[in-house]
Amino acid sequence: DIQMTQSPSSLSASVGDRVTITCRASQSITTYLNWYQQKPGKAPELLIYGASTLQSGVPSRFSGSGSGTDFTLTISSLQPEDFATYYCQQSYSTHPWTFGPGTKVEIK
Amino acid sequence: QVQLQESGPGLVKPSQTLSLTCTVSGGSINSGSFFWTWIRQHPGKGLEWIGYIYYRGDTYYNPSLSSRVSIAIDTSKNQFSLKLTSVTAADTAVYYCARVRITLVQGVPYSNYYYMDVWGKGTTVTVSS
Repeated sequence: DIQMTQSPSSLSASVGDRVTITCRASQSITTYLNWYQQKPGKAPELLIYGASTLQSGVPSRFSGSGSGTDFTLTISSLQPEDFATYYCQQSYSTHPWTFGPGTKVEIK
Repeated sequence: QVQLQESGPGLVKPSQTLSLTCTVSGGSINSGSFFWTWIRQHPGKGLEWIGYIYYRGDTYYNPSLSSRVSIAIDTSKNQFSLKLTSVTAADTAVYYCARVRITLVQGVPYSNYYYMDVWGKGTTVTVSS
């Protein structure tokens, strides 16, 4: 299995801050990396696929980068509705698809 | 727009079979552009992929669950389903169904991106006697 790790596991930030979340794969996954946002009690929502392609309807303050084993999700100016948990997920290998443990973004 | 809705018992006894159905509305399940998948989330924990099915019936399961899981599709009803046998308390979770979009990778022949672009709201299943 490809193991996914994320750092930090949680962070506190203020509205307007630039936030960066890191995701690392245990082996190269080229750009087969997706990012999801999950708010409490809700289903996850797709933010980015293919490491850097913004899903339709997702605000442009979200961006993704990276390839190989190291990836980042950046929120350029944190908004109140962005406080949530963020998960990365690899789709390079089907057996199995795996998610990172999540990064919780909290209000400072 | 496409919507997915999970349904099924919220309480299952240990050793019994968990059965859930996902109903797809606003679009056809009978499409080669998507997989249809199940994911679960244990209380307060992260996301675990269970498996997926293609409209032709091809299935792929998480090896950690493959001995107990089966996913089926009913294109006439626009539904797909999950069965998990011999459940224990460790199977207590929120179960999500989702659509997996298959997109060609630009410049890389025979390669696709796979990403879950539409999710159901989720259904809580508790395993308890």
